[in-house]
Amino acid sequence: DIQLTQSPSSLSASVGDRLTITCRTSQNIFTYLNWYQHKPGQAPKLLIHSSSGLQSGVPSRFSGSGSGTDFTLTISSLQPEDFATYYCQQSYGAPQTFGQGTRLEIK
Amino acid sequence: EELLVESGGGLVHPGGSLRLSCAASGFTFSNYWMHWVRQAPGKGLEWVSRISTDGTTTNSADSVRGRFIILRDNSKNSLYVHMSSLRVEDTALYFCARSLTPGQDYHGMDVWGQGTTVTVSS
Repeated sequence: DIQLTQSPSSLSASVGDRLTITCRTSQNIFTYLNWYQHKPGQAPKLLIHSSSGLQSGVPSRFSGSGSGTDFTLTISSLQPEDFATYYCQQSYGAPQTFGQGTRLEIK
Repeated sequence: EELLVESGGGLVHPGGSLRLSCAASGFTFSNYWMHWVRQAPGKGLEWVSRISTDGTTTNSADSVRGRFIILRDNSKNSLYVHMSSLRVEDTALYFCARSLTPGQDYHGMDVWGQGTTVTVSS
């Protein structure tokens, strides 16, 4: 199975900050990497598909990049509604797998 | 509006069985691969299983393989998972989700239900 390792596991940030979350995979998955935002009591929300594709309706402050085994999610200017847990997920091989999550908290 | 609504969760003893359902509406269900994803209490998201548009291809996580069977009925716009030999560690909120792109499953999951809770306990 393909393993995904996110870093950091948690972080504290302030409104307006720029931040980057990384996801490293255990094998080459080309650009089959997706990012989700998950808030308690809600369904997960697809933010970025195929490494860099901004999902419809998602604000442009979210961006993704990477290929092969190293990927990043960047939020250019944090907004209050962005405090949540973020997951990467690979859709290259079955079984599909998620990273362990990055919890983003307000500083 | 594209909607997924899960049902069938509940309390079950270890070793027991349960069937979850997911009703789809607002889109052509038969055009999309479908998934089950779960979240155990205090844990992250775990991908469980997926099924192709016509139901002929399925894949499952190692943790559930041989115990969970994913099925679909395109005539009823419904997705199912039959869970057997349930373990305490299967306790979780179970989500159904739709693949982003019709006919393929390479680009993530864009429509999700609100989930149904399964508790495995004696």
